[in-house]
Amino acid sequence: AQTVTQSQPEMSVQEAETVTLSCTYDTSESDYYLFWYKQPPSRQMILVIRQEAYKQQNATENRFSVNFQKAAKSFSLKISDSQLGDAAMYFCGTSGNTPLVFGKGTRLSVIA
Amino acid sequence: AAGVIQSPRHLIKEKRETATLKCYPIPRHDTVYWYQQGPGQDPQFLISFYEKMQSDKGSIPDRFSAQQFSDYHSELNMSSLELGDSALYFCASSQTPERNYGYTFGSGTRLTVV
Repeated sequence: AQTVTQSQPEMSVQEAETVTLSCTYDTSESDYYLFWYKQPPSRQMILVIRQEAYKQQNATENRFSVNFQKAAKSFSLKISDSQLGDAAMYFCGTSGNTPLVFGKGTRLSVIA
Repeated sequence: AAGVIQSPRHLIKEKRETATLKCYPIPRHDTVYWYQQGPGQDPQFLISFYEKMQSDKGSIPDRFSAQQFSDYHSELNMSSLELGDSALYFCASSQTPERNYGYTFGSGTRLTVV
C-alpha cells in the first residue's frame, strides 16, 4: 500500500521568492516513482516534475526542483523565482506497480 | 500535441439517474485510469484498464462500471446516482511500459447530482 502525506494545507510566497512544499510518503514497493502535479483553477492536472526512486540525483525542471531523501521518505518541491502563474493546488504522488496515489494537496498562493 | 479528451465537460443529473462519462486517451496510449476528486479533496483512484482489460481496481463503488474499447477509449458508467457522487472525474492515460513517466490527465468531467 502507498500513502502520501502533505502536511501544509496552504502556503504563500512573494513573487520572485522561493518556496518549498513538503511531502512524505510510504510505500511497500521497492521500485517506485514520485511526482508533483499542479492543479490551477482551470482544474487541469499538470505534471510538474518526476523522480525515479532508484536515482540519487534530485530532479530539476527549470524553476522547479526536488529534495529527495529516500531514507526519510521525503520528497519536497522547491519553486524558485515564484511567478503569479504558479498559484495552484500542488499534489505530491507516488506510483510503481500500483496506480498513482496522491496526497491531500497544498494550496499555493503567490503574492504580487 | 493531442491530449486526453473527456466528455462531457459538465453534467447535471438527478438522484437515481444514470450517467456515462467518456475518455479518449492520447494516441498510442494503451492504459486508461479513472479518478474521482470530491470538493476540496485529492483525486482518488477508481479503476484502470490496459489493453481493454481491467488492470487495477481502487475505490470504485459497485454502482459504477467501466470498460475500455478496441479503439482504447474508455467509458465510466454510473448508475443510481447519489448526491455524494457529485465530483470532478478525471481520466488519465499512459503508454506502458512508460507509465511511470507520469500520467497525462484530461480536463475532467464535472458531475453534479441534484
